[in-house]
Amino acid sequence: ETGVTQSPTHLIKTRGQQVTLRCSSQSGHNTVSWYQQALGQGPQFIFQYYREEENGRGNFPPRFSGLQFPNYSSELNVNALELDDSALYLCASSLASAGGRETQYFGPGTRLLVL
Amino acid sequence: LAKTTQPISMDSYEGQEVNITCSHNNIATNDYITWYQQFPSQGPRFIIQGYKTKVTNEVASLFIPADRKSSTLSLPRVSLSDTAVYYCLVVPSGNTGKLIFGQGTTLQVKP
Repeated sequence: ETGVTQSPTHLIKTRGQQVTLRCSSQSGHNTVSWYQQALGQGPQFIFQYYREEENGRGNFPPRFSGLQFPNYSSELNVNALELDDSALYLCASSLASAGGRETQYFGPGTRLLVL
Repeated sequence: LAKTTQPISMDSYEGQEVNITCSHNNIATNDYITWYQQFPSQGPRFIIQGYKTKVTNEVASLFIPADRKSSTLSLPRVSLSDTAVYYCLVVPSGNTGKLIFGQGTTLQVKP
């Protein structure tokens, strides 16, 4: 186990709704990254948060937003849900260091189904 | 960011050694190579990471030739529980945060 937890484990929403997914990072880690994984594909980077600020973003529209809290936990918010948002959402935590070679440790994911 | 190419799928039998090769022709000087394992409906699990030559841990070995244009993940004596998708990633040094996953290699271990 990586010590990274995510909630909820599964979620069903309808088109147009909004969803909030949560992630608790591994103890001692200060960086959280979010990924979307569609069925049969590799994870796709959404964005990363470091010290409560967005620190890099992938090719996702603004309706994907996030937060990081002082305890380094994080939320992913998706507005105006679309059918294609159905996926496994993964959170990964890491410890950013001066050398920069941090390893990302993934949580179990949240399975989102949009109907 | 360097692109990686690895076989889509591989089959093996229990007890065999499995070698999965990944090519990354455009790897940069400061990039390092990382492998993850993923079971269905679970998050990727870090396996091993290296920069050059050979790295070994309790799970696998990673062989990287001098030109670093490829790498080979070696899994000794696989079991049925090693059936999973294996991803090879080239990761830039520095806090870029962005891991780029390809489609990975689906390893099927048969009894």
